[in-house]
Amino acid sequence: DGGITQSPKYLFRKEGQNVTLSCEQNLNHDAMYWYRQDPGQGLRLIYYSQIVNDFQKGDIAEGYSVSREKKESFPLTVTSAQKNPTAFYLCASSIRDYSHRYGYTFGSGTRLTVV
Amino acid sequence: AQSVTQLGSHVSVSEGALVLLRCNYSSSVPPYLFWYVQYPNQGLQLLLKYTSAATLVKGINGFEAEFKKSETSFHLTKPSAHMSDAAEYFCAVSGTNTGNQFYFGTGTSLTVIP
Repeated sequence: DGGITQSPKYLFRKEGQNVTLSCEQNLNHDAMYWYRQDPGQGLRLIYYSQIVNDFQKGDIAEGYSVSREKKESFPLTVTSAQKNPTAFYLCASSIRDYSHRYGYTFGSGTRLTVV
Repeated sequence: AQSVTQLGSHVSVSEGALVLLRCNYSSSVPPYLFWYVQYPNQGLQLLLKYTSAATLVKGINGFEAEFKKSETSFHLTKPSAHMSDAAEYFCAVSGTNTGNQFYFGTGTSLTVIP
């Protein structure tokens, strides 16, 4: 079955350390997205990519970086510049459609905790 | 611009009672509307979506939602709540004038009381 795989499920980061969250999809979707979820704040868009080798900042990109070298993969790096990285991170993908009429498919998430 | 509002961040119902979760959107153009469910420490799963076909949309797990253009609403209902329905529910909107984004509501946490 096709889907999105996020790894690891739980991740612990020390102060000043960069960490990378993995997101892989086998749905043949062109578009991929990273969201951050905090209690009571819903989902906030970090970065998105509509096509390989291209990506755009979302609403809260500061302290994060991404790459899109392959269609299937969209890793997110949480850098030391992100002062409050403890959150639940969700990766999603979709058919490349301007209106998003097909919706998004989500991974199962990665919970990042600063220790 | 599109936006979506979910009224009530927390809703509690008794097991067997009607579930009603509210979602209103703001748009000058009929949008595409979605309801997602999220169980603890999991990703979001699509419950149902409205894409300008029938206004009453049936989804998984016995949920349905009705698109009401005059009220700009897309409320989610289920006739009889089950303990397994306890979760976070998100309404989302997209459309021809959203740019490259979905717009998610802030979510409603549903508690089912035995």
